[in-house]
Amino acid sequence: TQLLEQSPQFLSIQEGENLTVYCNSSSVFSSLQWYRQEPGEGPVLLVTVVTGGEVKKLKRLTFQFGDARKDSSLHITAAQPGDTGLYLCAGVRLSGQLTFGSGTQLTVLP
Amino acid sequence: GAVVSQHPSWVICKSGTSVKIECRSLDFQATTMFWYRQFPKQSLMLMATSNEGSKATYEQGVEKDKFLINHASLTLSTLTVTSAHPEDSSFYICSARDRREGSYEQYFGPGTRLTVT
Repeated sequence: TQLLEQSPQFLSIQEGENLTVYCNSSSVFSSLQWYRQEPGEGPVLLVTVVTGGEVKKLKRLTFQFGDARKDSSLHITAAQPGDTGLYLCAGVRLSGQLTFGSGTQLTVLP
Repeated sequence: GAVVSQHPSWVICKSGTSVKIECRSLDFQATTMFWYRQFPKQSLMLMATSNEGSKATYEQGVEKDKFLINHASLTLSTLTVTSAHPEDSSFYICSARDRREGSYEQYFGPGTRLTVT
């Protein structure tokens, strides 16, 4: 059972467009992380959000943690082909274990 | 810093044989390492948590006798897939947590592609 549901599952957009990926959970996590994974490689950490309502920006990427610490969103402004990849949210349990979301495959077309 | 390596990066084996995958933290000591499995076009699923010097903790549905985990040192954990079958073909990824840090950040290895024929 996937505790973290991401939407959309697949997203194909043109270069320059904006997009938002959602991560929803029925559970509360101590913190939530976003990763990007390229084919044949391990995931790379983008950001960790800890506080309910927190907003973090990383260049063209904006991450938001819901007030109840059960959901999060990733917004990309002016997407570029280099943003193509599998985006994964992951809830951090108190034990430190990660529960990954179902994933969003993003393709940015030039 | 915080580099995790895996060896081999890919392996092909015959059904019924065993395969060992190594996970090393190259520039830090890891008290805890995690093993994940990822099927094509799917997310990462945690298989087990490996603590140095103690038995691994397996997630529900993961056979501990089939997926043997050894964490003999602070920089090395191994996953052995015993009596492999084609359905075990997958991308296996490890991660390691730095014992020095108070945070729960995990550093991921590059993954090992296992194909069982």
